[in-house]
Amino acid sequence: DIQLTQSPASLSASPDEIVTITCQASQDIGSSLLWYQQKPGKSPQLLIYSATILADGVPSRFSGSRSGTQYSLKISRLQVEDIGTYYCLQVSSSPHTFGAGTKLELK
Amino acid sequence: QVTLKESGPGILQPSQTLSLTCTFSGFSLSTYGMGVGWIRQPSGKGLEWLANIWWDDDKYYNPSLKNRLTISKDTSNNQAFLKITNVDTADTATYYCARAYVAYYYVMDAWGQGASVTVSS
Repeated sequence: DIQLTQSPASLSASPDEIVTITCQASQDIGSSLLWYQQKPGKSPQLLIYSATILADGVPSRFSGSRSGTQYSLKISRLQVEDIGTYYCLQVSSSPHTFGAGTKLELK
Repeated sequence: QVTLKESGPGILQPSQTLSLTCTFSGFSLSTYGMGVGWIRQPSGKGLEWLANIWWDDDKYYNPSLKNRLTISKDTSNNQAFLKITNVDTADTATYYCARAYVAYYYVMDAWGQGASVTVSS
């Protein structure tokens, strides 16, 4: 199975700060990586697909990038409503696997 | 507008079979490239992908559940189903279904609100 090592596990940041979350894949998955945001008690919401493409309706302060087998989610200016847990998901091969999640809190 | 809603028994006993239904609208599982996936999340923990079913009835399972999973669909009624046999307390979780589609990209976009399942004697 492909492993996704997501870091950091938790993060505290202030409004307007830049936030970066990374996922390291255990092998080549190409661009087959998605990013989700999950708020407490809610289902995950798609932010990014194909590693870099912003999903419909997602604010432009979110962006995704790829360098080899390392994938990053960047929030350019953190807003209060961005608080939640973020997950990466690889869909390159079965079984699909999620990263362990990054809990983003407000400082 | 794409919507999905999961339904299940709520509570069941160890060794029973868990049957979940995903009822959706806004897309069809007879459309080329469309699929439905099942994902679960124990309380306070991360997400685990369980299975996908596609428009052509192709199916993929997470082998970590050791052949306990069966995914199926009823295209006419816009439903997908997941069965998990021989459940135990480790299967207690919120179960989500999500739309998946493959065009040039593979996307799993819309998710249901989740169905809470508790396995307890």
